[in-house]
Amino acid sequence: KAGVTQTPRYLIKTRGQQVTLSCSPISGHRSVSWYQQTPGQGLQFLFEYFSETQRNKGNFPGRFSGRQFSNSRSEMNVSTLELGDSALYLCASSLVSGGSYEQYFGPGTRLTVT
Amino acid sequence: GNSVTQMEGPVTLSEEAFLTINCTYTATGYPSLFWYVQYPGEGLQLLLKATKADDKGSNKGFEATYRKETTSFHLEKGSVQVSDSAVYFCALSGGGETSGSRLTFGEGTQLTVNP
Repeated sequence: KAGVTQTPRYLIKTRGQQVTLSCSPISGHRSVSWYQQTPGQGLQFLFEYFSETQRNKGNFPGRFSGRQFSNSRSEMNVSTLELGDSALYLCASSLVSGGSYEQYFGPGTRLTVT
Repeated sequence: GNSVTQMEGPVTLSEEAFLTINCTYTATGYPSLFWYVQYPGEGLQLLLKATKADDKGSNKGFEATYRKETTSFHLEKGSVQVSDSAVYFCALSGGGETSGSRLTFGEGTQLTVNP
């Protein structure tokens, strides 16, 4: 099976702009989660979608939003970009295995805000 | 809330040395525990997991045992290779305060193995 794919891989934006990142999960996986990775804050959970519904949300401002489509593909949007939004954004799709979820991560989208 | 604490890094070892990376957690209930590895320029790869107390997860020579009495999940490998150089993350999911697949990560430990 193909792994989790994320597009684009690299992105440079200017403060105040908005950006949309895309994630295609592993075929058959219905849960998609998003994480932000920065050197200072580490890996932080943004949100999780399951069957087109947001199931969990982390502690991020409303500028960060997401959605999931009927084919399980997901997008996240960040509006009014700030310098601090520069990060690696990771998407993960999940499978229940052995009584717990296993998350499989994509390569990430590296966002640079100037 | 849930939290994960990893030993401070970075860790530098010679090839064939023994590796231990400490991980302790705080959670209510019975979380699932994971180790993920991140190679430069890549996303995270699931290395191993354990879902209940005293379970041992193992993969590629790495092992970790779920110790509920000490709330720990230390990663070990008997003989490291240069190719093991990466950042290692301890993580948990579940544990009563969260639902779904949400992961809480530790800070990560940079491992460098010299030939």
